[in-house]
Amino acid sequence: GIQVEQSPPDLILQEGANSTLRCNFSDSVNNLQWFHQNPWGQLINLFYIPSGTKQNGRLSATTVATERYSLLYISSSQTTDSGVYFCAVEPFNTDKLIFGTGTRLQVFP
Amino acid sequence: DTAVSQTPKYLVTQMGNDKSIKCEQNLGHDTMYWYKQDSKKFLKIMFSYNNKELIINETVPNRFSPKSPDKAHLNLHINSLELGDSAVYFCASSHLGTGVSNTIYFGEGSWLTVV
Repeated sequence: GIQVEQSPPDLILQEGANSTLRCNFSDSVNNLQWFHQNPWGQLINLFYIPSGTKQNGRLSATTVATERYSLLYISSSQTTDSGVYFCAVEPFNTDKLIFGTGTRLQVFP
Repeated sequence: DTAVSQTPKYLVTQMGNDKSIKCEQNLGHDTMYWYKQDSKKFLKIMFSYNNKELIINETVPNRFSPKSPDKAHLNLHINSLELGDSAVYFCASSHLGTGVSNTIYFGEGSWLTVV
């Protein structure tokens, strides 16, 4: 089956710093989404981005489908950005999202 | 006005018991899912229903039985609970197909602890 690897596995930042999270996947996909799981366990949908670039406030994402990777950029990080960031992909003809291994982000004041 | 709601949020039960988790979505989606998140935060799909029909059934023990009375509800019943069933169970919903309407939305999770 498809492999979805995220890097780095852990990231510690001071408030105000920028960061880039990466998601590599081993096969072509129909769908790619980024999620944030906050410290209370809630999974929040950040982006639906099977290709191209999108921006939402301090967050932006880029997916290069032909090269099988996606990047999530967090600028001017805040303590509320702490949590685990997951990318999830839907391989063609499967109708199911396969989650990556996650990046645990801690932002300190 | 929660989009995907699941109950109970917390459940502590003894080995061997039978328990159910309920899920409801008010987004008008045609597809609902159960995901399991283990202690290492790994999220894995268990089941998916589209318009009350089972479309995905991963290699899950048959002690787990989903039921979808209508496309807005998907319940999960677990028989003969084991210690290894302790996890967070997430319900989710989406439209089936491609495009931004395929975005998946998750409930807040149900924390199951088997003692």
